[in-house]
Amino acid sequence: GAVVSQHPSRVICKSGTSVKIECRSLDFQATTMFWYRQFPKQSLMLMATSNEGSKATYEQGVEKDKFLINHASLTLSTLTVTSAHPEDSSFYICSAGHEETQYFGPGTRLLVL
Amino acid sequence: AQSVTQPDIHITVSEGASLELRCNYSYGATPYLFWYVQSPGQGLQLLLKYFSGDTLVQGIKGFEAEFKRSQSSFNLRKPSVHWSDAAEYFCAVAFNDYKLSFGAGTTVTVRA
Repeated sequence: GAVVSQHPSRVICKSGTSVKIECRSLDFQATTMFWYRQFPKQSLMLMATSNEGSKATYEQGVEKDKFLINHASLTLSTLTVTSAHPEDSSFYICSAGHEETQYFGPGTRLLVL
Repeated sequence: AQSVTQPDIHITVSEGASLELRCNYSYGATPYLFWYVQSPGQGLQLLLKYFSGDTLVQGIKGFEAEFKRSQSSFNLRKPSVHWSDAAEYFCAVAFNDYKLSFGAGTTVTVRA
């Protein structure tokens, strides 16, 4: 139980384009989901907290207009990286809250050329 | 300041030997405590968690952890490691809002 999926697992895009990453809770409903970014050999950096039916809460220093988060249902949250640039290349991981525990997706590797 | 500390950046252990990963936290109250494991290029998998009750917690893959309030610690142990245990291990804490604070992680290398 408590499975979270992410799609796509990896994506390559051109600079200036937008990329959407989906995060789904497969066997439970999640009112709260989280989006993280992870740099090589580092811990996870929380970008934002996504609440179903309301606006996301962004961490300090994260541009909300660049990283658009939508949590339209209890099983789906999306992260859209708008006008992506090479410095946005990273590993993005989502998680979903269930019974006081966060369950993580497998991550999405984004490469911006 | 509130923090989660994993003092060991990298641990190398022989296959079949025991493993202990340290985690200390600095918070006013006792948080919820978690250990996650991450294989290269993958997401995080929950190994075990502690909310209350018995301070020795059993998890998946043969791992266990012990909560010690007096030491503000939640150390992870495995009696006999397997080559597949080579990974990055993260200790994390949370309160009642799901929001996790992570330690920096410990890389475990298993030698044959």
